[in-house]
Amino acid sequence: SQQGEEDPQALSIQEGENATMNCSYKTSINNLQWYRQNSGRGLVHLILIRSNEREKHSGRLRVTLDTSKKSSSLLITASRAADTASYFCATDNSGNTPLVFGKGTRLSVIA
Amino acid sequence: DGGITQSPKYLFRKEGQNVTLSCEQNLNHDAMYWYRQDPGQGLRLIYYSQIVNDFQKGDIAEGYSVSREKKESFPLTVTSAQKNPTAFYLCASSIFGSGGRNTEAFFGQGTRLTVV
Repeated sequence: SQQGEEDPQALSIQEGENATMNCSYKTSINNLQWYRQNSGRGLVHLILIRSNEREKHSGRLRVTLDTSKKSSSLLITASRAADTASYFCATDNSGNTPLVFGKGTRLSVIA
Repeated sequence: DGGITQSPKYLFRKEGQNVTLSCEQNLNHDAMYWYRQDPGQGLRLIYYSQIVNDFQKGDIAEGYSVSREKKESFPLTVTSAQKNPTAFYLCASSIFGSGGRNTEAFFGQGTRLTVV
C-alpha cells in the first residue's frame, strides 16, 4: 500500500532556481522522512520531521509538515545540477512499522 | 566503514530458477527490510525483520522468501513462483523501535534482477 503521494511526478528547473516537491499521505503518522535516489543507486536519507514539528532545515533543504492537511513539502534552494535525482517521501505510523514510500518526484536541474 | 552491502549488483535468472540476493550490514541495526522498485512505482515492501529469527510479510511477499539467522544478514530468495521478478531490489536497515520513534533507514546500492 502506497501511503505517500509526491507531486509533481517530474520537475525540470534551471540551476540556481528553487525546487519544491510536495507529499500527501492518508493516515496519521509518527514521522515523515525525505530520501534522495540517484539513477540506479540506493536511497539516501535527507531529513526526518516528527509529527509534532512544523518545519525543519538542513543546509539548502527546508521541509514543512502540516498534519491537519496530511501533507509535507521539500524545498531545495539554489539548486545545482548535482541535485538531479528522484526524491521520495516516506512515512510510518508508529516506531515499529516499516517505512512506506511514495512514488517519488524526478527532479532535473539544467545547468 | 559502516554500511549495508548488497550483492550481486546485476543478476540474471532463467525461467523456473530460484535466485538469492545477499544483504549484509555492519551497522548493528536490529531491523532489516527488502523493497522492490519498478519504474514509476516507487518502493514496495516485500519482507522485513525486526529481530533475529523473526520476519514479517510486506505488501508483495508472494513468490519471495527470506531468512534472518544472523543480525548482520537478511538474504532474499526470489522463487520460481514469482512470475514477474524483473525489478530493482533494495535492502535497507534501521535501528528498531528506539523509544517508539522510527529513525532513518540506510540503503544498499541495490540488485538489478533480470529474467532471461
